[in-house]
This record gives sequence, structure tokens and C-alpha cells, in this order.
Amino acid sequence: GAVVSQHPSWVICKSGTSVKIECRSLDFQATTMFWYRQFPKQSLMLMATSNEGSKATYEQGVEKDKFLINHASLTLSTLTVTSAHPEDSSFYICSASGQASGPGPYEQYFGPGTRLTVT
Amino acid sequence: TQLLEQSPQFLSIQEGENLTVYCNSSSVFSSLQWYRQEPGEGPVLLVTVVTGGEVKKLKRLTFQFGDARKDSSLHITAAQTGDTGLYLCAGRRGNKLVFGAGTILRVKS
Repeated sequence: GAVVSQHPSWVICKSGTSVKIECRSLDFQATTMFWYRQFPKQSLMLMATSNEGSKATYEQGVEKDKFLINHASLTLSTLTVTSAHPEDSSFYICSASGQASGPGPYEQYFGPGTRLTVT
Repeated sequence: TQLLEQSPQFLSIQEGENLTVYCNSSSVFSSLQWYRQEPGEGPVLLVTVVTGGEVKKLKRLTFQFGDARKDSSLHITAAQTGDTGLYLCAGRRGNKLVFGAGTILRVKS
């Protein structure tokens, strides 16, 4: 089946620094990748949608200058949390949707998530 | 206001009991998916339902999509401790998935 990986799986950083999270589709080409944020015992909230080679589309209320998303290739998307603050601490999950030999048009496959803690 | 209302929010049952989780909306979705998520991990897709009235079975799990494609249910028969987790329904609108609030299921031995 389709596999999506994330790196790192967890990261601790100091307030004011930036953190980059990578999301890779390992066995298929992901034309669209999604980034979600999840607080403990809550559901996933979509932050942004990115298509390979174009700018990401952010959901209402998500600061695009704070959460920089790059989808430079069909297998890699990155989320950079800039000038992180303790309130940015959360579980960040990426998801990828592909074509042809990859996932079907109705399905997205999720990465294992990245736990970010800002001290 | 959640576009997808999921209930109950929390369910604690004994091993061997049956349970049903509901996912309701006033909107129509082209498809609806159910995921299971364990703490510290990403959601894992259980099933996708596409056709109104569709019923799919996955071992002890039965998924149903409403005739009008606005609601869905997940029924677990003879729950096991391994079923413990967060269950999420998600409806597709265009290229986006809209998630319900989730149901935390705890199965006690």
C-alpha cells in the first residue's frame, strides 16, 4: 500500500527558533499534499493544501508567513514553523494523495505525524 | 460548528460488547472515510464508502453510508481491547477531507 513518512517524528525547540518537518511519499507520486494540526484528543484540522510546483493554499486562520509550506517535488513536501512559540506545540500530520499506481482518487494516506514541543 | 457531527465523543465499554459510532451532516459528500488513530501515530484508513446506502464489512466492523450520502455509521461487534483508539470519520468535498470531531473508544478487558 501507499506509504507516507514524516521526519522528524518528534522535535523539541526553543521559542523563537524555526523548525522544518519533512513529508515524503515513499512509493507513489503525490500531486497533492495536505498538512494537518491535531491537539490532544481532538480531531485533525486542515492547515493547508499544497500542489507540486505551486504555492500552498492555506485554510482560514492559518498564518502563511508562520507556517511555510514547500512542495518542490512529487514525493516531498516540507512545513517550516517559523519563530515558533509554545502555542505552536502540537502534533503535525501530513497526508498525500496521488494518481495512477498510487492511491485512488478518493483516498489520502497519512504520515505518522510529528510531535512538536516548543519550550 | 462542525460540518460533520460525530457521536458519541467518548465511549468506554467492556470487551465483547457491541457499539455504534455515528457521523452526521447536513451536507452531501462524494465519499466518506473512516479512520482509526492510536496515540502518537497518524490516522489509518479503515474504509471508504462512495455509494448511498452502501454497506461494507471489515471483519467485526460494519460501515454504512446513508442513502442521501450525508451520514454514516460504524458498528463494531464483540469489541476487543485492540479496538481501543480514536475513530474519525471524514467526508470528501472536492480535494479536501473534512473531519468529524472523533470518537475516543476504550475497550476494557
